[in-house]
Amino acid sequence: DSGVTQTPKHLITATGQRVTLRCSPRSGDLSVYWYQQSLDQGLQFLIQYYNGEERAKGNILERFSAQQFPDLHSELNLSSLELGDSALYFCASSVGASGLPRYTFGSGTRLTVV
Amino acid sequence: AQSVTQPDIHITVSEGASLELRCNYSYGATPYLFWYVQSPGQGLQLLLKYFSGDTLVQGIKGFEAEFKRSQSSFNLRKPSVHWSDAAEYFCAVGAYNTDKLIFGTGTRLQVFP
Repeated sequence: DSGVTQTPKHLITATGQRVTLRCSPRSGDLSVYWYQQSLDQGLQFLIQYYNGEERAKGNILERFSAQQFPDLHSELNLSSLELGDSALYFCASSVGASGLPRYTFGSGTRLTVV
Repeated sequence: AQSVTQPDIHITVSEGASLELRCNYSYGATPYLFWYVQSPGQGLQLLLKYFSGDTLVQGIKGFEAEFKRSQSSFNLRKPSVHWSDAAEYFCAVGAYNTDKLIFGTGTRLQVFP
């Protein structure tokens, strides 16, 4: 157990729908990162939050949004879902704004859009 | 721009044979380098990481990697592969100023008995 908790583990939904993925960081970690792993794009960084504020943005679509709450858990919202959004979504956490030495991944949420 | 190249998409080895998975990176400064392993349907498990110091890094499960600045490489090695090592292996480089990881496309390892 890495200490980073992602829920749900699996999600199946229809095109056009909206889903929310949740991530609880490891205790004491202030940063949360979201990654998408798809067959055609590989593993790509989406977005980072540090202590409630957006810190870095990657290849995140406008249909996707994220936030980090006061208790430091984060949610990734995916809307107007398309078949191509089917992927494994990972969350990672680290202790600070520059926390590469203690970067830890969760086990992921597998999203299937049908 | 930072990038990571894993030139081997798929490698097949016999159990007990040695293994080397290649990783080349492009980065303007001293990189933070990582190797992760992913079993089918599973998450990412950190094998080892390099930040500074000794260029030969020991990791879990008997893996090691060597940082070679002159070759911009961080190859992963294991002297004797076990059937349970069959998985996908990802090399990643840390982008210090943004704190994100940039991943290679992965190498799928198949192990024959």
